[in-house]
Amino acid sequence: AQKITQTQPGMFVQEKEAVTLDCTYDTSDQSYGLFWYKQPSSGEMIFLIYQGSYDEQNATEGRYSLNFQKARKSANLVISASQLGDSAMYFCAMSNTDKLIFGTGTRLQVFP
Amino acid sequence: DAGVIQSPRHEVTEMGQEVTLRCKPISGHNSLFWYRQTMMRGLELLIYFNNNVPIDDSGMPEDRFSAKMPNASFSTLKIQPSEPRDSAVYFCASSTWTGRYQETQYFGPGTRLLVL
Repeated sequence: AQKITQTQPGMFVQEKEAVTLDCTYDTSDQSYGLFWYKQPSSGEMIFLIYQGSYDEQNATEGRYSLNFQKARKSANLVISASQLGDSAMYFCAMSNTDKLIFGTGTRLQVFP
Repeated sequence: DAGVIQSPRHEVTEMGQEVTLRCKPISGHNSLFWYRQTMMRGLELLIYFNNNVPIDDSGMPEDRFSAKMPNASFSTLKIQPSEPRDSAVYFCASSTWTGRYQETQYFGPGTRLLVL
């Protein structure tokens, strides 16, 4: 069965430091997509980054990068140079069919 | 470019009343999703459409919930009659279904529903 697991319910990081949010997935399909979303306290769901299963290079978008380890079935989000505005819930998601499967999320708190 | 548009942004109603939530997906997207988010249950997929056709409504809680997509640019989620336990944030999202897997879903701002 397809599944997304985020084992860290909460994470703390100091401003300007890097932080890694963990995500593992389970699928027997070869073709799939992996996504990360950010949900700040204001409530909107913001798309951050995407990785295709056939992409050989890790995806990057500004301060966000996705550490994709296919053999381990992990798709960790790395945020470099954390900012106070990065404090939010972060959701990992996978698509291997016509819908997304979401993890339960990790709440990140950035402190000064 | 306009993103996914939802209305109303906030809705307060009394138990037993009908509630209609509206969504306009991103132009060109052929998939539309309705989600519900609560503290207790997290993010739940209620129903989704591909090319205006409902594909999977197994997440719809009960018969009080119904959804329609009469055309590619509009969808509604209706709750009749509403109950206090329906209080939640309802998100609409749209994306492109390539036939292989879903491309990036873009979410609307959500509708915060409070049923008294």
